[in-house]
Amino acid sequence: SQQGEEDPQALSIQEGENATMNCSYKTSINNLQWYRQNSGRGLVHLILIRSNEREKHSGRLRVTLDTSKKSSSLLITASRAADTASYFCATVAQGGSEKLVFGKGTKLTVNP
Amino acid sequence: NAGVTQTPKFQVLKTGQSMTLQCAQDMNHEYMSWYRQDPGMGLRLIHYSVGAGITDQGEVPNGYNVSRSTTEDFPLRLLSAAPSQTSVYFCASRFQGSTDTQYFGPGTRLTVL
Repeated sequence: SQQGEEDPQALSIQEGENATMNCSYKTSINNLQWYRQNSGRGLVHLILIRSNEREKHSGRLRVTLDTSKKSSSLLITASRAADTASYFCATVAQGGSEKLVFGKGTKLTVNP
Repeated sequence: NAGVTQTPKFQVLKTGQSMTLQCAQDMNHEYMSWYRQDPGMGLRLIHYSVGAGITDQGEVPNGYNVSRSTTEDFPLRLLSAAPSQTSVYFCASRFQGSTDTQYFGPGTRLTVL
């Protein structure tokens, strides 16, 4: 079964606004990753956060991780129309398997 | 580097036909995997491999076979296609180590009639 569950399923904002997407997961993790998928394309890795990290930044992206709540959030600041895409969280479970298990994604639309 | 390549881009099959989806990478990655993506379901892991000669099942392996005879190639075989296998298939690869970046191919859109 799928590990991650993104919330909301869809988000529509205006250019310049911030976009926040959340991910909840079920089991203890080694790390959590966020990916972007433009329509009809493959997935592109955005950022990885390890289980012992609480926050990470990359450009306009900010990821937080709360292992006690088994949740993560992805914040995109000053969004652009080019940020329109689906965003997925994916987790690697703690201990043994290196399988990357994806959630169902959040569809973000940034209106010009 | 070409990265992760997949062929074909599109395929239409009739129920019961078999076919092989090709995946190749030129980054010398040990770990390769196949996912299927269905509307509203995200990506689900079909099979994966941690190196040549080693494969294992993911979440939804039934109806699919894989083999890994070289580091570069990881083909996915549909033994007897069913309409439930209509989906977009993605191949991915990375170095060994779960914190390494996973690279995805462009996908194969498969329709089974």
